[in-house]
Amino acid sequence: DAGVIQSPRHEVTEMGQEVTLRCKPISGHDYLFWYRQTMMRGLELLIYFNNNVPIDDSGMPEDRFSAKMPNASFSTLKIQPSEPRDSAVYFCASSFRGSFDGYTFGSGTRLTVV
Amino acid sequence: AQSVSQHNHHVILSEAASLELGCNYSYGGTVNLFWYVQYPGQHLQLLLKYFSGDPLVKGIKGFEAEFIKSKFSFNLRKPSVQWSDTAEYFCAVTGTGRRALTFGSGTRLQVQP
Repeated sequence: DAGVIQSPRHEVTEMGQEVTLRCKPISGHDYLFWYRQTMMRGLELLIYFNNNVPIDDSGMPEDRFSAKMPNASFSTLKIQPSEPRDSAVYFCASSFRGSFDGYTFGSGTRLTVV
Repeated sequence: AQSVSQHNHHVILSEAASLELGCNYSYGGTVNLFWYVQYPGQHLQLLLKYFSGDPLVKGIKGFEAEFIKSKFSFNLRKPSVQWSDTAEYFCAVTGTGRRALTFGSGTRLQVQP
């Protein structure tokens, strides 16, 4: 299994631009999580899905952030418009309900908004 | 709401020294506890987990952790650290039946050769 795949690995964009981060979870996993990691705030849960349905989006910072999971093998996190304070590493993770061994994380997307 | 506190933000040790990283959690019910490691430039990897049973849990790479319910703690230990253990370590908690992990702020471990 290729693991959780995120793209792009690095993204540099200008303030005000739209940014889309992508995630492919492990096949068969029915939970998908988006986390944001910064020096100041550590790892924050943004949103998570179960069977493609958003379960808890209370961590999404504001309306500029949106996430979708159109099918079991793909999810996106979109920021529109982006701001410098959105600069962070965004991690996607997936897990399987049947045997909760914790998450498998992707390699992350390092976003820099200038 | 659940929360996790890691009081040691940065720890510097020499090789062969013993390690103990503190983790305290706050949660009103039965918990599942985890330690993850993040090597420089890499993603988080699971070190060990506790669900139930023996409170002393052994993980990969010689790490172990002890769940002390009365102290709401889940400290990570290793008898003898190596330079390759240099990384950031995160404690995480979730309640039984809940899938979203809450992470602590992390402890950066630096092992000097």
